[in-house]
Formats: sequence, C-alpha cells, structure tokens
Amino acid sequence: AQTVTQSQPEMSVQEAETVTLSCTYDTSESDYYLFWYKQPPSRQMILVIRQEAYKQQNATENRFSVNFQKAAKSFSLKISDSQLGDAAMYFCASRGAASKLTFGTGTRLQVTL
Amino acid sequence: KAGVTQTPRYLIKTRGQQVTLSCSPISGHRSVSWYQQTPGQGLQFLFEYFSETQRNKGNFPGRFSGRQFSNSRSEMNVSTLELGDSALYLCASSLDIGSGNYGYTFGSGTRLTVV
Repeated sequence: AQTVTQSQPEMSVQEAETVTLSCTYDTSESDYYLFWYKQPPSRQMILVIRQEAYKQQNATENRFSVNFQKAAKSFSLKISDSQLGDAAMYFCASRGAASKLTFGTGTRLQVTL
Repeated sequence: KAGVTQTPRYLIKTRGQQVTLSCSPISGHRSVSWYQQTPGQGLQFLFEYFSETQRNKGNFPGRFSGRQFSNSRSEMNVSTLELGDSALYLCASSLDIGSGNYGYTFGSGTRLTVV
C-alpha cells in the first residue's frame, strides 16, 4: 500500500516570491510515479508536474520544479515567481503498479499582493 | 481537443434513492478512474475501468458500482444513497492503464448532495 503525507494544511506566499510545498510518501514498490495536482475553486484537478521514480533528474515545468529525494521518500514542489493564479489546493499523489492514485490531504496555497 | 466531461455538474438526491453519474474521457483514452472527494476523507479511489473491464477497485461498499462502454464512456452508480455519500465525484481518464507517463486528466466533477 502507498501513503502520501502533506504536513502543511495551508501556506501563504507573496506575489513574485518562491514557495515550497512539502510531501513525503511511503511505498514498498520499486517502480512508481509521483505527481503534483492543483485544484482551483473550479474543482478540476490539473496536473502540475510528474516525476518517474527511476529518473534521478528532478522534473521541471516552467515556474514549477520538484525536489525528489528518493532515499528520504520526499517530493516537494517549488513554485517560483508566484502568481495570483497559483492560489489553489495542491495535492501530492503517488501511483504504483496498481495504476490508482493515492493522494495526500492537500495544501491550500494563498497568494497575496 | 475536448477534455474529460462529467455530467451532471450538480445533483441533489434523497436518502435511499440511487444515482448515476457519467464520464466521457478524452478521445482515445481507454482508462477511466473514479474518485470520491470529501472534506473528511479526502480523495479516495473508487474504481478503474479499461476496455470495459474493471481492473481495480477501492475500499467502498457494493452500493458503489460502475461500468464502461465500448466507446470508453463510463458511468458510476450509487444505490441506496446515504448522507455520507455527499461528495465531489471526480473522473479521470488516461491513455493507457499501465502508463504513468501519460498521467491522468480529470474532469470538473459531479457534486452530489444527499438530503
């Protein structure tokens, strides 16, 4: 079984600043994938970034990057140059061989002027 | 390219009734998964369908069921509704059941309220 833990229920960042959202996971599988999803008030879960566990290199998508520490089972999301549109719930998720997503409890990100 | 379409967007039902929710995946996607989202339990996996066959099932009672049609559209059904079934039900489609590389694309969900 996989578990995902997000220890920060809420975070706040000023516009244009950088913020890091934490995520730890636990799995007994050797082949798995990790994801960060964003859920704005519109409710749709939007894929932000994904990481294959077998890849050493940290994934990057424009202003979004991850710090994947496989030994520590840590998968944090860094948002650079934060924008008002980044305000949302952010969910960390993992997927193993069973091809189902296991989600964390989410972090609500507030972006202030 | 059209996204994942879930209908209806909102639904109000009475305890004891049954409900059917619909999900149309992205064209070409053959895998459809369903998730329940509640404030108390968070996001929980219900089931996954691929080529009209249920491939995975979460830990939900038998009142929750689903199916997938030959065009990959999927429906989930909840019978004998309980107040605790009030939730946002999200559908996600994927190109291939075993391919994490493709990720999952979610719909906007159906908000079910049981009164």
